Amino acid sequence: DQQVKQNSPSLSVQEGRISILNCDYTNSMFDYFLWYKKYPAEGPTFLISISSIKDKNEDGRFTVFLNKSAKHLSLHIVPSQPGDSAVYFCAASITGTYKYIFGTGTRLKVLA
Amino acid sequence: GAVVSQHPSRVICKSGTSVKIECRSLDFQATTMFWYRQFPKQSLMLMATSNEGSKATYEQGVEKDKFLINHASLTLSTLTVTSAHPEDSSFYICSAIFVKLEGNSPLHFGNGTRLTVT
Repeated sequence: DQQVKQNSPSLSVQEGRISILNCDYTNSMFDYFLWYKKYPAEGPTFLISISSIKDKNEDGRFTVFLNKSAKHLSLHIVPSQPGDSAVYFCAASITGTYKYIFGTGTRLKVLA
Repeated sequence: GAVVSQHPSRVICKSGTSVKIECRSLDFQATTMFWYRQFPKQSLMLMATSNEGSKATYEQGVEKDKFLINHASLTLSTLTVTSAHPEDSSFYICSAIFVKLEGNSPLHFGNGTRLTVT
């Protein structure tokens, strides 16, 4: 049972445009969500997180949106840069459990 | 930012031997460390959770006698793959966290270890 899903395995975007990565979850108890970026043969790097008390969190070029009623979150990267090309994982957790459930990842390719 | 160091980054071993992977939190004290495994084109699968000074908690389907975890201090956890077999070949990643009394903390990951068992 995949509690966190990233339905798009890959995405290609032109440099300078917006990249939108999507993530859906099924467990309504999740209240903390994170996005990670991963290069090949490296560990994931934390990008941005959001708590369920918010519906938006912004950090530079990265913005995460949370729609609790739809159990959906998205990561917006604008403007996209070639260095953003990587696999992006979303993760979800219930506060206090420190158990993070990861999606299967979306490979983003930003074309120069 | 928080730094987690994992060593070695790559190891090749013969079937039947044991391999030890180290995970260190360099600039913070990690109350809890996690070991993940990633299969090709798949998600990160949690193997076990270890708290400093206590026994690790293993996820369902993970053999605790095969994957020995030791969390001897607030900055070091080790994963030993015992009697390795080719099917144990994978990418192993550790992560560490400082558990707050309130609120949440993101996981910080090491760079992973690519294990190849021949």
